[in-house]
Amino acid sequence: KQEVTQIPAALSVPEGENLVLNCSFTDSAIYNLQWFRQDPGKGLTSLLLIQSSQREQTSGRLNASLDKSSGRSTLYIAASQPGDSATYLCAVCAGNMLTFGGGTRLMVKP
Amino acid sequence: EAQVTQNPRYLITVTGKKLTVTCSQNMNHEYMSWYRQDPGLGLRQIYYSMNVEATDKGDVPEGYKVSRKEKRNFPLILESPSPNQTSLYFCASSLREGYTEAFFGQGTRLTVV
Repeated sequence: KQEVTQIPAALSVPEGENLVLNCSFTDSAIYNLQWFRQDPGKGLTSLLLIQSSQREQTSGRLNASLDKSSGRSTLYIAASQPGDSATYLCAVCAGNMLTFGGGTRLMVKP
Repeated sequence: EAQVTQNPRYLITVTGKKLTVTCSQNMNHEYMSWYRQDPGLGLRQIYYSMNVEATDKGDVPEGYKVSRKEKRNFPLILESPSPNQTSLYFCASSLREGYTEAFFGQGTRLTVV
């Protein structure tokens, strides 16, 4: 059964820092991997989708990489801002469902 | 605007009183699913639907029912809610299963007392 782990569980950084969030998964037979952002009490906002055949995707200050063979993905956030404070979730898609990691709770301090 | 809409956003109910949480998407997506989110357990899939009249169980289907009579709607039904179904529920849709991006609703916070 697919298991997804995110490290660290929580992260607090000063504004302006570049940071990396990690996601690992146990079964490399995936269709894609998706990164989401969740604000407290809110829904999930899709940030980036990486297909299994791709190595990375970029959107603005965000860059996500995928190494399917090693079961790892990273989300790189450049020049972090207080508005980036949220929980970041990765999810792998294999067939009929998304399997989510536990999330990284990010706090960016002004 | 492309979106997944859930209603209600918040609901407090009593044990055993049947309820329905509605989900609607305006993107003509084939695939829809329901998840629940619980502290320490993360997001887990309840049911999914690959198209009209095609539904199947996810990881935690006990105590829930779904139907897909129209492409845009995928309601979640709790016939006899119990306190262990207190949770944050999300509906999601994607163009089709597998390779496409998933879009989530804003969530329904359900409390069963």
